[in-house]
Amino acid sequence: DAGVIQSPRHEVTEMGQEVTLRCKPISGHNSLFWYRQTMMRGLELLIYFNNNVPIDDSGMPEDRFSAKMPNASFSTLKIQPSEPRDSAVYFCASTGTGVAGELFFGEGSRLTVL
Amino acid sequence: SQQGEEDPQALSIQEGENATMNCSYKTSINNLQWYRQNSGRGLVHLILIRSNEREKHSGRLRVTLDTSKKSSSLLITASRAADTASYFCAGSGYSTLTFGKGTMLLVSP
Repeated sequence: DAGVIQSPRHEVTEMGQEVTLRCKPISGHNSLFWYRQTMMRGLELLIYFNNNVPIDDSGMPEDRFSAKMPNASFSTLKIQPSEPRDSAVYFCASTGTGVAGELFFGEGSRLTVL
Repeated sequence: SQQGEEDPQALSIQEGENATMNCSYKTSINNLQWYRQNSGRGLVHLILIRSNEREKHSGRLRVTLDTSKKSSSLLITASRAADTASYFCAGSGYSTLTFGKGTMLLVSP
């Protein structure tokens, strides 16, 4: 199994630009999570999907952030417009054992907004 | 609310020594999980302990859970340089996992 696949691994962009992060969960997993990791705030849950439906987006910081899951094998996290404070590592994780089960994480997308 | 807070924030030991990390949480949980994160990588699941369990072993890992104190500990025995990483606990009530900020473990050869 290839595991959770995220792209890009690194993204450097300028303030105001649109950023799109992508995730392919493990085949057969029906729950997908987007987390953000910073030194100051640790690992924060942004949003999670169950069977492609967004269940809880209360962690999305503001309207500049949006996430979609058009099918069971693909999800995107979009930031528009990006700001320097969005600089962080964004992780996607999936699980097939319920939202409280073992999570399988991708390697993350490190975003730097200048 | 924060479901996992690790202690200490950083731990430095020699190879062969045991490493103990602690985790406290605030509300009732169904299970508590420990994850490891190597520098620049994603988190990797280590072990899950359910609320009705008190202790669990997996290889060199030993996890305890004290629901009355809302605390858990992770013991790594006979540590190796390859154990150098950050370790996170995550508690789950009836919803998603909430992670602490982790303990950075440095194991020196």
